[in-house]
Amino acid sequence: DTAVSQTPKYLVTQMGNDKSIKCEQNLGHDTMYWYKQDSKKFLKIMFSYNNKELIINETVPNRFSPKSPDKAHLNLHINSLELGDSAVYFCASSLALGLGEQYFGPGTRLTVT
Amino acid sequence: KNQVEQSPQSLIILEGKNCTLQCNYTVSPFSNLRWYKQDTGRGPVSLTIMTFSENTKSNGRYTATLDADTKQSSLHITASQLSDSASYICVVSARGSGGGADGLTFGKGTHLIIQP
Repeated sequence: DTAVSQTPKYLVTQMGNDKSIKCEQNLGHDTMYWYKQDSKKFLKIMFSYNNKELIINETVPNRFSPKSPDKAHLNLHINSLELGDSAVYFCASSLALGLGEQYFGPGTRLTVT
Repeated sequence: KNQVEQSPQSLIILEGKNCTLQCNYTVSPFSNLRWYKQDTGRGPVSLTIMTFSENTKSNGRYTATLDADTKQSSLHITASQLSDSASYICVVSARGSGGGADGLTFGKGTHLIIQP
């Protein structure tokens, strides 16, 4: 009965590879988010999707492409991985954009070598 | 530019003691302010959400206050427990032109350590 789930939990890959992280929420929420948390623990919003439409794109590199097949899923695809992409990526969802509680997934720790 | 500043950056207190974490913001127009607790290796969990008209809100031993005039919020933890050791993140939401809230500004968090 997990509210927001992410896979994989850990991802180790080499520079230049392409990888995807999947996220699913079973809360019936309209809005989903992707966040990046770097080594300094600073949480930065990357994308927000509301009913499958991109609402926020915080000027992340275009190597990052979110894809939402339906409002319960928001996947993150990363092309040509770089060392600086190493971080913990969190998916979250909320009833509507900026309103109500955000429920976060457990995070995906990405390590690029 | 919308900003959220939290202080202190880190804090160590003894178990059983109280503490207060601060959050100052310049986000405008204001919609709501949230406090999150993030345990090591886990995603953030919401503690409180306050709108403009709310001055204080409690969640167990956690009490958040909001002064919308001075744009300050505090999170007070009473009778701290070892499980309170975590990062506490203040997030302020700005109201969008369409009437719905959009734009989330995150503070860098306060890292709290409770010592036995």
